[in-house]
Amino acid sequence: DVVLTQTPPTLSATIGQSVSISCRSSQSLLHSNGNTYLNWLLQRPGQPPQLLIYLVSRLESGVPNRFSGSGSGTDFTLKISGVEAEDLGVYYCVQSTHAPTFGSGTKLEIK
Amino acid sequence: EVQLVESGGGLVQPGGSLKLSCVASGFTFRDYWMNWVRQAPGKTMEWIGDIKPDGSNTNYAPSVKNRFTISRDNAKSILYLQMSNMRSDYTATYYCVRDGVIAAFDYWGQGVMVTVSS
Repeated sequence: DVVLTQTPPTLSATIGQSVSISCRSSQSLLHSNGNTYLNWLLQRPGQPPQLLIYLVSRLESGVPNRFSGSGSGTDFTLKISGVEAEDLGVYYCVQSTHAPTFGSGTKLEIK
Repeated sequence: EVQLVESGGGLVQPGGSLKLSCVASGFTFRDYWMNWVRQAPGKTMEWIGDIKPDGSNTNYAPSVKNRFTISRDNAKSILYLQMSNMRSDYTATYYCVRDGVIAAFDYWGQGVMVTVSS
C-alpha cells in the first residue's frame, strides 16, 4: 500500500494568515500515462469531504483561488493564502495512481 | 446538481450482513466509475473498492476482499455495497463517492453510519 504522511497533524492560524500542509508519499505518484493522481480534500465538521484540488494543482470548480497545490513525485503541498473562518476542518490528501489511499489528515483550527 | 444519497445503515451483530444503497441523481450515472469509502470514528478515510461504469469490473481493498461486494443498477442509478461476515472494526461512516472524468473522488454522499456490535 502507498502510505501518505501528512504534516503537521494540527495547524492553528489567524484569519488572513497563509499556511501550508505537506503530503509525502512512500512511492512515486507519477502514473505511466504522465498524470499524477494526487488530490486534496476538506472535511468540515460534521460534513462529508469535498474536493478542493485534483491532479496536484488543478482547482476544482467553485473552490476559492486562495487554495493552491504543488509538488511532484513523492512530495506535495497544499497552500492556503489568507485563511478564512470557513476554512476550518480537516484536510486530507488522497492518491489514486495506485490503489487509493488517504493521508492521516491535518486539522486546521482558527485562532 | 449531483446528489448521492446513501441508505441502509444501522446496527448489525458481528458476523452479520448488511446491504447499503446509494441513489445517484444530477448526472448520467452509467457513465461514471463509483466508489465506496469508509471512515471509522475519529480516523481517516479508507477506500473500500470501486466499480466500472458498466458494472463489468470491480476492485477491492485487501481488507474487505471476499467479504464485501460492490454492484450497481444503471437503470435505477443505484450503487450497492453488500457486506458480510462483518467485524467490529467495520464500524464506520460509509460514503458513496463518484470518480469524475478527470478527478477522482469528486462528489461524496452524506454518508451512512454502520455499527457492528453485539
